[in-house]
Amino acid sequence: DAKTTQPPSMDCAEGRAANLPCNHSTISGNEYVYWYRQIHSQGPQYIIHGLKNNETNEMASLIITEDRKSSTLILPHATLRDTAVYYCIVRVLAGRRALTFGSGTRLQVQP
Amino acid sequence: DADVTQTPRNRITKTGKRIMLECSQTKGHDRMYWYRQDPGLGLRLIYYSFDVKDINKGEISDGYSVSRQAQAKFSLSLESAIPNQTALYFCATSDLRHEQFFGPGTRLTVL
Repeated sequence: DAKTTQPPSMDCAEGRAANLPCNHSTISGNEYVYWYRQIHSQGPQYIIHGLKNNETNEMASLIITEDRKSSTLILPHATLRDTAVYYCIVRVLAGRRALTFGSGTRLQVQP
Repeated sequence: DADVTQTPRNRITKTGKRIMLECSQTKGHDRMYWYRQDPGLGLRLIYYSFDVKDINKGEISDGYSVSRQAQAKFSLSLESAIPNQTALYFCATSDLRHEQFFGPGTRLTVL
């Protein structure tokens, strides 16, 4: 699985867009980018995933660069409830190995 | 009702005791996982199972064992608990797309 690099922490003002970057320069052609988040001591929660096209759902948008070496998770209107650790994970869609969670980015939404 | 349940939610035990953590799911998924999380760190994979007869070690399986009693049940055992196994333990399930659904966690303290 490709290695990912995320900033350890970020701040965002409530109501503003939160843009969380992830570098995955060694990503392979069949690997997807997944995002999860973990709100204080709760089980991680799936947010979104994508291969090469930008993706959007009710929680967030995922922007993947054309060369697929980096991506950005966008929370369009961050709320205090979005304060969490956000994990970027790169995986093949149906591989035999499990997801590997790194240290993630701790997002603090400020009032 | 929750899709993934874990029992107990909290447990305090003594060094040398045998402990079993249980996980049940109603998602109908074949894949189940056990992770541990230490304070301030990401999740680390202990064991995972792709079906009842397919069980695999994760990155930190030493000191742990598992049993997949049925598609819906996956239990984690600590044969002889030690203090550095004090952690938050999460069970998760997934389908082939690797969208994982996590339980609420079990907080284990070994004195």
